[in-house]
Amino acid sequence: EDKVVQSPLSLVVHEGDTVTLNCSYEVTNFRSLLWYKQEKKAPTFLFMLTSSGIEKKSGRLSSILDKKELFSILNITATQTGDSAVYLCAVDDFNKFYFGSGTKLNVKP
Amino acid sequence: DTGVSQDPRHKITKRGQNVTFRCDPISEHNRLYWYRQTLGQGPEFLTYFQNEAQLEKSRLLSDRFSAERPKGSFSTLEIQRTEQGDSAMYLCASSTQQGNTGELFFGEGSRLTVL
Repeated sequence: EDKVVQSPLSLVVHEGDTVTLNCSYEVTNFRSLLWYKQEKKAPTFLFMLTSSGIEKKSGRLSSILDKKELFSILNITATQTGDSAVYLCAVDDFNKFYFGSGTKLNVKP
Repeated sequence: DTGVSQDPRHKITKRGQNVTFRCDPISEHNRLYWYRQTLGQGPEFLTYFQNEAQLEKSRLLSDRFSAERPKGSFSTLEIQRTEQGDSAMYLCASSTQQGNTGELFFGEGSRLTVL
């Protein structure tokens, strides 16, 4: 059965720390992997990854995909309280998107 | 407004009543998805449409749930004879599958509370 697993489920850090969020997947047909940030509303898009080894970067956030080992990581450097949210990983199998249960990040001042 | 819109944003109903949610996707998007999300969980796939055709429905979805997209534009999700376990956030998302990938664009969701 196709699935997406994220770890850790929750994380508490202090401002300025660097965090790494993990996402592993098993899908029959892989098109892309996407990262979303969800605060108290709908998920908002962060990154879309289709090729192994190519890092996507946006400010303090970066992400990379390993299609051989079937995982992706999302890094956040110099965390801020505004980074507190649930981070969702999703995999597109050409038809629908499978979501993990998310990593809840709490950044304390 | 060029985003995905959902209505109503909140719905409180009594067990056994029927409810209907509406989703208006981004106009040029041919794919429309419905997801359900409960506290502490990621979005769970319910169904999706390509234009007006419903291409897949989750086998976890009971017969009380039905969705339509009659003209390939807006969609409705109806839940009949609601149960307390139906309480959740119902998220609609749209995408275009042109090219190699299609990012999902989410609406703000419709939160259902069944008393």
